Amino acid sequence: DIQMTQSPSTLSASVGDRVTITCRASQSIDSWLAWYQQKPGKAPKILIYKASILESGVPLRFSGTGYGTEFSLTISSLQPDDFATYYCQQYRTYSAFGQGTRLEIK
Amino acid sequence: EVSLVESGGGLVQPGGSLRLSCAASGFSFSYYEMAWVRQAPGKGLEWLSYISVSGRTIHYADSVKGRVTISRDNAKKSVYLEMNSLTAEDTALYYCARGEDCSGESCYPNWFDTWGQGTLVTVSS
Repeated sequence: DIQMTQSPSTLSASVGDRVTITCRASQSIDSWLAWYQQKPGKAPKILIYKASILESGVPLRFSGTGYGTEFSLTISSLQPDDFATYYCQQYRTYSAFGQGTRLEIK
Repeated sequence: EVSLVESGGGLVQPGGSLRLSCAASGFSFSYYEMAWVRQAPGKGLEWLSYISVSGRTIHYADSVKGRVTISRDNAKKSVYLEMNSLTAEDTALYYCARGEDCSGESCYPNWFDTWGQGTLVTVSS
């Protein structure tokens, strides 16, 4: 099974900061990676798929990069609405999510 | 408006069974692959099961294989998850999720472009 590991588990940042979350796969998944945002009490929301393609309606401050086993999600300038938990998901073989990264206000 | 609404959750005793339902609206249900994903309290997301547009292709996570059955009824625009031999480790919020638009073909494995709000399953005596 492909395991997904996110880092950090928790990230403290301020409005306006540039932040990056990393996701590592235990074996190559090519570009078959998605990123989701989840707020408390809400369902996950797709942000990015195929590693770098922004879902329609998602603000341009979100971007994704990576290939193979190393991926990252970057928020260029944090907004108050961005404080949430972020998950990566591989969909190369079956499906698996990372453990999540909680982005909190510093 | 595209919508997925789960139901069927509740309190069940260890060893019990439950059937979850997910009703879709606002899109051509029969053209989309569907999945179930769960989230234990305070924990991350866990993919559980996949079903193809026709219902003929099904996959399960090892953690639930042999204990759950996914099915769909395209006429009723619904997908189901039957769960048996439940344990406390199955306590979670269960989401149904829509696979990305593949124009009626298979893109499995999928990323998920639409999620329901979830139905809570609590396994306890």
